[in-house]
Amino acid sequence: EPEVTQTPSHQVTQMGQEVILRCVPISNHLYFYWYRQILGQKVEFLVSFYNNEISEKSEIFDDQFSVERPDGSNFTLKIRSTKLEDSAMYFCASSIEFGATNYGYTFGSGTRLTVV
Amino acid sequence: DQQVKQNSPSLSVQEGRISILNCDYTNSMFDYFLWYKKYPAEGPTFLISISSIKDKNEDGRFTVFLNKSAKHLSLHIVPSQPGDSAVYFCAANNAGKSTFGDGTTLTVKP
Repeated sequence: EPEVTQTPSHQVTQMGQEVILRCVPISNHLYFYWYRQILGQKVEFLVSFYNNEISEKSEIFDDQFSVERPDGSNFTLKIRSTKLEDSAMYFCASSIEFGATNYGYTFGSGTRLTVV
Repeated sequence: DQQVKQNSPSLSVQEGRISILNCDYTNSMFDYFLWYKKYPAEGPTFLISISSIKDKNEDGRFTVFLNKSAKHLSLHIVPSQPGDSAVYFCAANNAGKSTFGDGTTLTVKP
C-alpha cells in the first residue's frame, strides 16, 4: 500500500530557529496539503498545493511559513522563525483528486515539532 | 467559529454492538463529508465519505448517514470490534479544503 512518508518523526528546536519538515507524498497524487494538530486541539488546515503553487492557505499560514516541492517528489514545510505556539504535530497529506472527496486524503504519520 | 463539531469526546461500546458517532456542521456550503480514523502515533486514515446530495453511504461495516436539513451526520459501525478502538474525526469539505471536528475516542470492549 503506498504511503506518505514524513521526516523527521520528532523535531526539537529553539525558539527563533528555522525548521524544515519533509514529506514524500504518494507518487501519482497531484494535490498536497499540510495540516497541524496542537496537543488536545483539532486538526487544522494550513495550506494546499497543486501544480507547483499554493492553492489555498489558512490564517495560520502567515509569512513565517512556506512550502515548496523542490524536486518533484519531496514536499516541504518551512517555518522561518519558530515560536513556542508552533509546537504541534504536523501532518502532510496528499490526494489524487481535487477535494479528496471519494478517497480522502492519505496522511503521513506526522512530525511532532517541539519549540523550546 | 467551530464549523464542524463532534460533541461527544468519547464513546464506549461492547464488542459486537453498534457504535454510532455523531457530527454536526454549520456551513451549508460543505459539499462532501468524510470520516477518518486515527490511532496513536499515526496520521488519520480515510474511512468513508458521502456527497451532500446523498443521505447514506455504506462500505462493509461502516455506514455514514447525512441529514442535510439538520446539518448532521453520523457514522455507524456494525458490528464493533476491539480493533476499531481509535479516535474518529469527521471532516467537511468545501472548495477542496477539509475542516475537521475535534474527534471522538471510541473504545470497543471485548
